[in-house]
Formats: sequence, C-alpha cells, structure tokens
Amino acid sequence: DQQVKQNSPSLSVQEGRISILNCDYTNSMFDYFLWYKKYPAEGPTFLISISSIKDKNEDGRFTVFLNKSAKHLSLHIVPSQPGDSAVYFCAASSNMLTFGGGTRLMVKP
Amino acid sequence: KAGVTQTPRYLIKTRGQQVTLSCSPISGHRSVSWYQQTPGQGLQFLFEYFSETQRNKGNFPGRFSGRQFSNSRSEMNVSTLELGDSALYLCASSLQGDVTNEKLFFGSGTQLSVL
Repeated sequence: DQQVKQNSPSLSVQEGRISILNCDYTNSMFDYFLWYKKYPAEGPTFLISISSIKDKNEDGRFTVFLNKSAKHLSLHIVPSQPGDSAVYFCAASSNMLTFGGGTRLMVKP
Repeated sequence: KAGVTQTPRYLIKTRGQQVTLSCSPISGHRSVSWYQQTPGQGLQFLFEYFSETQRNKGNFPGRFSGRQFSNSRSEMNVSTLELGDSALYLCASSLQGDVTNEKLFFGSGTQLSVL
C-alpha cells in the first residue's frame, strides 16, 4: 500500500505558465514533506520542503502548499521554464523518507 | 567537495546471480541510505546505515542486504537475482541521517538489468 501517491504520472505546461504538481499521503504520522527533482541520468536533488506546522513555504519560483486535513500537498512553479522539465518526487517523513511515484513535468517553449 | 559516487554505473546480470553495488558518500557524511527506483513505483527505501550500523530497514526481502565501513562507504548486495530486481539503485548520504533537518544528497545511481 503506497503511503505517498502522485496520481499524475505526467504533466505538460507552456513556458511562462504555472505548473502544479500534486501529492497525497495517508499516514497522519508524517510531519515533514519534501520535493525532489530528477533529471535523466542524475540522482534526485532537493528542491523545497515544508514542516507540518506550516501550510506554505516559498523559495523563488517554487512554492509548496500543505493541507493537513486533506493529507495533500502541492508544488507550484511560477513561471515555468523549459529547464524545469524533469521528474518531480514528493516525499514524506516520520523517521525515514517515503517517496511518491513521481510526476514527469514537460515545459514546452 | 566531491558528491556521492556510485559504482558501477551500469550492470547486467542473469537470474540467480548475485550483485554488489558500491556507494561513497560525501566526505564527512556518516549516514548512507539506499533506494530502489522502478518506473511508476518511485523511490522505495531499502535501508539506512549510520556509523556502520543498520538503523532503518524498508520492506524488502532478505536477499537485499548492505553494510557500511568505518570510512562511511557502503555496499549493498542482492543475492539470487530475479527479473523484478531490474531497477535503478540510488544511494544518498547526509551528515547524521536526520531527514527533517538535513538534505539528502543522491548519487547518479547504478542501473541494474537482470536478464
């Protein structure tokens, strides 16, 4: 049973528009959430995180929103750039990280 | 500072064989964790080592094992390989393994193909 789910395996957006990547979790013990980005032939790299005591964290073009009651988090990228094209993994932590299945984002010029 | 290094980069094995993958963490990092990535399944946690001790273990069969050496380098071993073991195996390191206060730094992975 997957405790962290990314229901959209892929997403395509136009350059300059907003990209919204979604993630749902089932374990209420998760208290820390992260997003990682992965380019082909490279390992994932940390993007942004949020603690369960917050509902929003912003870093430049990237914002993560957490809705604890819905057990849902989302990553907003504004504006989207072609270099953002990658696979995005959400992850949740209690004492170790549990990752979602990933969403492939394609940003078209 | 050198990043996380995983060797080999690619590996082809046949069913029933065993394989050993290696991971050298960032200098000074004492926690090393291993993940299996398969299409659609994301990154599934295998185990985490800290100071030569396995501290956490994921839900994988006993054919998957690992160890960590005194210099923090880690190896993982898969015995009696099955077709379903074909995956990208990623290693990640951090200072103390505190996932809520530290970033994980990943290597580029070892792509294992089992024929």
